[in-house]
Amino acid sequence: ELKVEQNPLFLSMQEGKNYTIYCNYSTTSDRLYWYRQDPGKSLESLFVLLSNGAVKQEGRLMASLDTKARLSTLHITAAVHDLSATYFCAVGDSGTYKYIFGTGTRLKVLA
Amino acid sequence: GAGVSQTPSNKVTEKGKYVELRCDPISGHTALYWYRQSLGQGPEFLIYFQGTGAADDSGLPNDRFFAVRPEGSVSTLKIQRTERGDSAVYLCASSLRSGTGALNTEAFFGQGTRLTVV
Repeated sequence: ELKVEQNPLFLSMQEGKNYTIYCNYSTTSDRLYWYRQDPGKSLESLFVLLSNGAVKQEGRLMASLDTKARLSTLHITAAVHDLSATYFCAVGDSGTYKYIFGTGTRLKVLA
Repeated sequence: GAGVSQTPSNKVTEKGKYVELRCDPISGHTALYWYRQSLGQGPEFLIYFQGTGAADDSGLPNDRFFAVRPEGSVSTLKIQRTERGDSAVYLCASSLRSGTGALNTEAFFGQGTRLTVV
């Protein structure tokens, strides 16, 4: 059974600092997604990672995927307050159509 | 439409009642998902449709939950004899394609229906 773990669960950081959110999963997968969710809102797609070594960047966020280690990272560079949100990774369950979501990382960027 | 549309946005119902939640996916998307999100948790898979058929309903918690997609577009999630534990945000998502190794598998989510059972 595919399990997805994120850490940290909560992250409070100062503006201008860098940090990384980790997403570990337990079985082989060929697709991984990162989403952002603002309070009371739905999920906004950030990145789609489909192959080992994939790296994607958008603004201050960069996501990478290591399928051998079953690990994805979401790196935040020079955080700003607008990045405050909850970030989820979702892993495709191989051989099925399911996406299994992590527990989420609640990020708060302090001015 | 421009995005996935869900109605109603909020639904309050009494314990034991029947509810229907509607999802209108992005035009042309053949894959449709229902997820349930409880407060402070990640979305939990309920059911997946490819076209009109439910290809995977393994996430439905029990037989009180049922979903249909009769014409391969709009889907309705139906909950019978609602219980307080059913209270959650029900999210619908659609994607152009789906499946292992497929391109264009990115799922776009609707705003959700917040269901409260009192």
